Amino acid sequence: EAGVAQSPRYKIIEKRQSVAFWCNPISGHATLYWYQQILGQGPKLLIQFQNNGVVDDSQLPKDRFSAERLKGVDSTLKIQPAKLEDSAVYLCASSSLGASNEKLFFGSGTQLSVL
Amino acid sequence: KNQVEQSPQSLIILEGKNCTLQCNYTVSPFSNLRWYKQDTGRGPVSLTIMTFSENTKSNGRYTATLDADTKQSSLHITASQLSDSASYICVVGSNFGNEKLTFGTGTRLTIIP
Repeated sequence: EAGVAQSPRYKIIEKRQSVAFWCNPISGHATLYWYQQILGQGPKLLIQFQNNGVVDDSQLPKDRFSAERLKGVDSTLKIQPAKLEDSAVYLCASSSLGASNEKLFFGSGTQLSVL
Repeated sequence: KNQVEQSPQSLIILEGKNCTLQCNYTVSPFSNLRWYKQDTGRGPVSLTIMTFSENTKSNGRYTATLDADTKQSSLHITASQLSDSASYICVVGSNFGNEKLTFGTGTRLTIIP
């Protein structure tokens, strides 16, 4: 079974530039999550999708971050404009239904460096 | 505010030795407690998931315990191997409609030969 695919693996940009990350979840998984993991910290949820609808985006900085999952499969997370404090690993995860006690499967992440 | 605290922050042990990692949480309402292993440069991988009624769960050489009364969990690693070098993250789920996960900051474990 293929895992959660993310690209690119690494991205270096200057502040005020824009950047986009892509995620393809495990086939058939209805729920998709984007997390931000700052060095030395645990992941922080940015947004959760159930199929193509948003379930939780309460911690997404909506003035600069946006995400979409138009066909309920793959997803894109965008930052525009980037700030220095956005330097982090952006992890995508998926689960079958998003139900309680369900296992989450994570991708390897995109490491973003903002200079 | 929901919080998950892990100790120690980092740990170095010799290959073949056992170790125990600790997790204390203040999360309400409690739904489940998870342990993840995160290798450097990789995403977290699930080791165990325990609900309120479970007080121990094993996955190979990994054994997790849960004391829901004291809100503590531990992860015991037996006969450590070099491949166990990773960060171990404790995650607590709360379910108030939609499940929310609170992540700890992890314990960085290094196994030396």
